[in-house]
Amino acid sequence: EAGVAQSPRYKIIEKRQSVAFWCNPISGHATLYWYQQILGQGPKLLIQFQNNGVVDDSQLPKDRFSAERLKGVDSTLKIQPAKLEDSAVYLCASSRGAGETQYFGPGTRLLVL
Amino acid sequence: ILNVEQSPQSLHVQEGDSTNFTCSFPSSNFYALHWYRWETAKSPEALFVMTLNGDEKKKGRISATLNTKEGYSYLYIKGSQPEDSATYLCALRDNAGNMLTFGGGTRLMVKP
Repeated sequence: EAGVAQSPRYKIIEKRQSVAFWCNPISGHATLYWYQQILGQGPKLLIQFQNNGVVDDSQLPKDRFSAERLKGVDSTLKIQPAKLEDSAVYLCASSRGAGETQYFGPGTRLLVL
Repeated sequence: ILNVEQSPQSLHVQEGDSTNFTCSFPSSNFYALHWYRWETAKSPEALFVMTLNGDEKKKGRISATLNTKEGYSYLYIKGSQPEDSATYLCALRDNAGNMLTFGGGTRLMVKP
């Protein structure tokens, strides 16, 4: 089966610009996760969706980050406006259901100048 | 939020060496411990899931153990190969079964 797809793979922007990332989970996976991985640290969960509803967004900086999964399949994560400290790898993962093995995409590497 | 630490942060070994690294956690109040391998420019790949004290899992030359009483898990690689070069991530899944909390990873580089 096809894995989790993400695009773009790399993005360079200047601070205060906006950026969006896209994720297509494994077919049939109800749960979708976005993680932020800053260099030298482990991935940190930003938001978890169950179908098109948000389960946990407690660590999402909501003043500048937003995410949606309108039809319960694909998801987008947006940063507006970006700051230097947002430079990171943004990983998307999906699982059949909450609590099941998570499968990761290759990530989007964001550099904010 | 669960606390997970990994050591060392990075490790250089020669091809053929065996190596191990540690994932430590102060509390046994979690549902499962996961190990992932993350090669550069690829997706993190699930290696093992362990839930019980004393669990041991093996996949080829890689194995892992879990000691929940003393708060650690070891990942062993026997006879390291250059293709083992990657970042190895440990993560705890909370008792609600949803959230993964990752350690900072151990970056392994195997020299031919």
